[in-house]
This record gives sequence, C-alpha cells and structure tokens, in this order.
Amino acid sequence: GQNIDQPTEMTATEGAIVQINCTYQTSGFNGLFWYQQHAGEAPTFLSYNVLDGLEEKGRFSSFLSRSKGYSYLLLKELQMKDSASYLCAVRDSTNAGKSTFGDGTTLTVKP
Amino acid sequence: EAGVTQFPSHSVIEKGQTVTLRCDPISGHDNLYWYRRVMGKEIKFLLHFVKESKQDESGMPNNRFLAERTGGTYSTLKVQPAELEDSGVYFCASARVMNTEAFFGQGTRLTVV
Repeated sequence: GQNIDQPTEMTATEGAIVQINCTYQTSGFNGLFWYQQHAGEAPTFLSYNVLDGLEEKGRFSSFLSRSKGYSYLLLKELQMKDSASYLCAVRDSTNAGKSTFGDGTTLTVKP
Repeated sequence: EAGVTQFPSHSVIEKGQTVTLRCDPISGHDNLYWYRRVMGKEIKFLLHFVKESKQDESGMPNNRFLAERTGGTYSTLKVQPAELEDSGVYFCASARVMNTEAFFGQGTRLTVV
C-alpha cells in the first residue's frame, strides 16, 4: 500500500521562502510529482523527481531523497498568487497516471 | 491546444438518481484517467483507459459506477443510483503516453442530497 504525509496548512509572507515537506511509504517507487491546485481549478503539474537531488525550475524547486522517503517543494520569492493547495503524488509503477496523492497542503501567502 | 475539459462543472442530484459526467481529454492523448476527491480526503485513482479499453479499474468503488470511452475519445462516468457518499469532486486526466505526467481537468463537483 501507499502512505503519503504532508502538512495540512502552512502560512507564509509575500516575498519569503517556504518549504512544503512530503514523506511517503510505498510498496513501489517510480517517481514523485508535485502539483499546484487553486480552488475550483485543475491540479497543474509543477515538478517530477525520480532521482535523488534537487530540481530547480524558476521560483520552484523540488528535492527528493529516496532512501529517506522524503521530498520537499521549495517556493521562493512568494507571491500572493502562490496561495493554493500543493499536492504530493507518488508513482508506484510505470503508470504515472495512477499516482497516489497526499491530502495536499494549503498554503496561504499573506502580504 | 485545448486542455482536459469536464462537464458539468457542478451537479446536484438527489439520492437514488443517476448522473453522467463527461471528460474530453487533450486531443491525441490515448491515456485517460478518472479520479475523485471526497470531502476531506485525498485524490484517489478510479480507473484508467488506454484508448477505448479499460487498462485498470481497480479504484472503482462499486458496481454503481460505470465508465465508458467508446471510440477512444471522450469518456463518461455514470453513477447509478447515486448515494450520499458519492459526493465529491471527480477529476479526469489524460496523458499522451503512460509514463509521463497526466494533465488534469478542473473537475466536476458532485453533490448528492
């Protein structure tokens, strides 16, 4: 089975940096996704990690440690529009569409 | 390029009624997935189509749920009869190939009263 944990809520200030953690225990591992979802909208793909290390993409970076079953999403220079839910999803097979999702972390960015 | 579109965006039905949700994937995407998120819980996989064939329907909760993808284009998910616990947001996603990320639709919010 799969078990994915991430904090329920986080609050940060505009311009700051925030790190959203995700830990997982899975029967198989074939990569980890981060999605962003604004209320009432579709989840949108942010990043994908399959090897250990840091992947940087603009203001967003994602880190993975497979031995620790741990990932984080780092958001820099926070903007108000970054207020959203951030979903961690683990792919346990070659079928990326059948990923197992965490409950999501609701990030609120305050001025 | 149009994204994944779902209809309707919202549906409110009474317990015992039937509802049909529709998903139009991104053109050329053979892989189509249905997910749902019930209140307070995580997004959960329901099933996966490759073209018109059901590749994996291990997440379908029970036989009140029927998914089809005739012709391998759009897909429908029918709930009959609907129960209160079926309330939630139903997402559809599509992918060109199976081992790449899936693109999500905005979801259909189903409320059974």
